[in-house]
Amino acid sequence: AQSVTQLDSHVSVSEGTPVLLRCNYSSSYSPSLFWYVQHPNKGLQLLLKYTSAATLVKGINGFEAEFKKSETSFHLTKPSAHMSDAAEYFCVVAGGYNKLIFGAGTRLAVHP
Amino acid sequence: DAGVIQSPRHEVTEMGQEVTLRCKPISGHDYLFWYRQTMMRGLELLIYFNNNVPIDDSGMPEDRFSAKMPNASFSTLKIQPSEPRDSAVYFCASTTGTGLSYEQYFGPGTRLTVT
Repeated sequence: AQSVTQLDSHVSVSEGTPVLLRCNYSSSYSPSLFWYVQHPNKGLQLLLKYTSAATLVKGINGFEAEFKKSETSFHLTKPSAHMSDAAEYFCVVAGGYNKLIFGAGTRLAVHP
Repeated sequence: DAGVIQSPRHEVTEMGQEVTLRCKPISGHDYLFWYRQTMMRGLELLIYFNNNVPIDDSGMPEDRFSAKMPNASFSTLKIQPSEPRDSAVYFCASTTGTGLSYEQYFGPGTRLTVT
């Protein structure tokens, strides 16, 4: 069965510093993995996706994630945080039959 | 395309009342999903449809919940009777079954408050 674990429920960074949001996955086959972002009182928006092509995936707003099979990880990074990055981030694995399995979410706070 | 459209955006109702949430998926998408988001349980898949047919409703919490998709451009999620513990944000999402990217497009959600 497929699952994801987001290792941090809250992450706090200063504006201009790097962002690292951690995600480990479990999958019985080569997974499709996603990061979604949810800004306050908004719906979910796709940041980026991995579907067995390049292991380093670039997304919107300067985010990227690296698929590491040996570590079963798919961590999300950004070199320099912006105030507008404050949101909740979800790591997601495809669960078959077009279903998505969501992690519990990581709330990112960005301080001036 | 306008994206996934949900209505109403906010709903406040009293316990025992019937509540109907509506969703219009992106044109051409043949999968439609209903999710519920709460602080305690996070994001839960309630039910999903493929070509207007319910495929998996194992996430529907109780018989008080029902969902329909009478055509490719409209779906409803109904709660009857509503209870305070149904208070949550309900999201609708759609995708196309062609390809294996699984990307789902989410609507803005309906915030339901049951008093």
